[in-house]
Amino acid sequence: EADIYQTPRYLVIGTGKKITLECSQTMGHDKMYWYQQDPGMELHLIHYSYGVNSTEKGDLSSESTVSRIRTEHFPLTLESARPSHTSQYLCASSPTAQGKLFFGSGTQLSVL
Amino acid sequence: EDKVVQSPLSLVVHEGDTVTLNCSYEVTNFRSLLWYKQEKKAPTFLFMLTSSGIEKKSGRLSSILDKKELFSILNITATQTGDSAIYLCAVVNNQGGKLIFGQGTELSVKP
Repeated sequence: EADIYQTPRYLVIGTGKKITLECSQTMGHDKMYWYQQDPGMELHLIHYSYGVNSTEKGDLSSESTVSRIRTEHFPLTLESARPSHTSQYLCASSPTAQGKLFFGSGTQLSVL
Repeated sequence: EDKVVQSPLSLVVHEGDTVTLNCSYEVTNFRSLLWYKQEKKAPTFLFMLTSSGIEKKSGRLSSILDKKELFSILNITATQTGDSAIYLCAVVNNQGGKLIFGQGTELSVKP
């Protein structure tokens, strides 16, 4: 059973607000990822981390930032949300670089 | 540019039918190919394939990889309404082990 948690599940906010999407895993995985997914579209990697104090931007340009101060925690922050940020955000972790990911339940973000 | 293409994009079948989902890829330094099932929100892992020609099987689902022709198929026999989901194919390259996802195939199984 994968133990990776995302909060909130749903978030509706106004333009210009600062938000943080939380992601925590209790499996001790070094590798963590944030994906963005629009309806009917593929998952796009926006950030990843291979360990504490290590973060990298993914393939899809994103105005969000991440931090990895603790192994189990990988929050994503938007300093000033815009309607174009409306999407589903999925967090995942992996024990190896082989690719088997464990996903959280996602955060559906709507920016009005 | 690394790319993963799935077909068909959507499929409607009736219970009991057998379906074959396709995934082709162009990836430098291939490491592995994975299949996920996505119902509602979180994708769940189905299979990881690294070697050509070796079928992976789990109940009514099976998958095989062809590294020469750069594709994989996912078969589901005797489909049930609970198989309705989006099936995602992803490929891992050796450059940091990142996954490249396809668009997914949306399968709908009617009673």
